Amino acid sequence: EVQLLESGGGLVQPGGSLRLSCAASGFTFSTYAMSWVRQPPGKGLEWVSGISGNGGTTYYAASVKGRFTISRDNSKNTVYLQMSSLRAEDTALYYCAKVPSTMLRGVIPDYWGQGTLVTVSS
Amino acid sequence: QSVLTQPPSASGTPGQRVTISCSGSSSNIGSNFVYWFQQLPGTAPKLLIYRNNQRPSGVPDRFSGSKSGTSASLAISGLRSEDEADYYCAAWDDSLSGPVFGGGTKLTVL
Repeated sequence: EVQLLESGGGLVQPGGSLRLSCAASGFTFSTYAMSWVRQPPGKGLEWVSGISGNGGTTYYAASVKGRFTISRDNSKNTVYLQMSSLRAEDTALYYCAKVPSTMLRGVIPDYWGQGTLVTVSS
Repeated sequence: QSVLTQPPSASGTPGQRVTISCSGSSSNIGSNFVYWFQQLPGTAPKLLIYRNNQRPSGVPDRFSGSKSGTSASLAISGLRSEDEADYYCAAWDDSLSGPVFGGGTKLTVL
């Protein structure tokens, strides 16, 4: 059974940094690309970033490019999202999601974790 | 403003058939597969339809998807109270180099 467990969310001041983690189990982690998708409270879904199975290719939404960095450690079955220069509009529930392909391009995530809440406020 | 356009709400009575539309452009729906997700209150999105019209194992055949040109739709037949949820369409966007989502449709079972 695919399991994705996010952690690292919390309250952070504008301009601050936070690192999210997602521990995966139930599948051969290095074989699949991974993504982060966020959902502001009461609003819709927004894709944030993605990384290929071997970590060699990364993609970012325009809204976070230059501020967020996605990475993965296949020896630990974990994907990370380093967030810096955080803004109030980054406040959201951040979901980790598995992509059913080793490459990210053209493929939409299938399994999603339960999310970790990031609140950016002074 | 979401890249894909969905109606904000839809409704039906038990047993009815309802459809939810999703409109995009040539860079997303027009050239890539469409996916549909169901999000029950307080839970993570669950994949309902992939590659336009395919159902993952465990998804009832009451749910079906279709695509034509730059639009897609999700149909739910034999509506049940447990179908009350938010529904999102998604597709890869070649111009943005990432997945894009619709704004979501809140389905109410009357």
